[in-house]
Amino acid sequence: AQSVTQLDSHVSVSEGTPVLLRCNYSSSYSPSLFWYVQHPNKGLQLLLKYTSAATLVKGINGFEAEFKKSETSFHLTKPSAHMSDAAEYFCVVSVLPNTGNQFYFGTGTSLTVIP
Amino acid sequence: EPEVTQTPSHQVTQMGQEVILRCVPISNHLYFYWYRQILGQKVEFLVSFYNNEISEKSEIFDDQFSVERPDGSNFTLKIRSTKLEDSAMYFCASSPPARGISYEQYFGPGTRLTVT
Repeated sequence: AQSVTQLDSHVSVSEGTPVLLRCNYSSSYSPSLFWYVQHPNKGLQLLLKYTSAATLVKGINGFEAEFKKSETSFHLTKPSAHMSDAAEYFCVVSVLPNTGNQFYFGTGTSLTVIP
Repeated sequence: EPEVTQTPSHQVTQMGQEVILRCVPISNHLYFYWYRQILGQKVEFLVSFYNNEISEKSEIFDDQFSVERPDGSNFTLKIRSTKLEDSAMYFCASSPPARGISYEQYFGPGTRLTVT
């Protein structure tokens, strides 16, 4: 069975300080992992993905995530938060081969950036 | 940049009525999906669709739901007899032809369905 746990429902950081959004996954097979961001009244935008290549994945807007199999984690980081980073972030796991390619979402982490 | 579009952005309907939510996936994509997010809850998978048939569906996707790709561009979700608990944000997504194992999904902005 596949599942995702986002350990923090809300994270608040000051502008210019590092961001850490935590995600742990459970998967019976080799997973693909994704981070999506959702700004208010917008769709889900792909930030980055891990698909069994390099364990450190770089995404858009300065975000990175590191896949750690031993810890079953895929935490999202950014060295310096910007006001525009305030949004809801979702960690997602998918399992291949699976022709349905069903995505399993975490419950989301709401990021607040304090000026 | 191509994007997935959904109409309407907000749909209000009375319990027992039929609704059709519409999506236009990215043009060269071959896999299509519907998800829903009830307010305050996680995004849940409903159904995936490939080659004009359902690939996978969740327990939520019961007989009151159906999907269709009526032409080369639209992908629809029909709810035959809406219930109060169908109130949610419904997201459409599509993904490109398989390239290795790159299966990212591209999501639309969602349709907020309110059942009264």
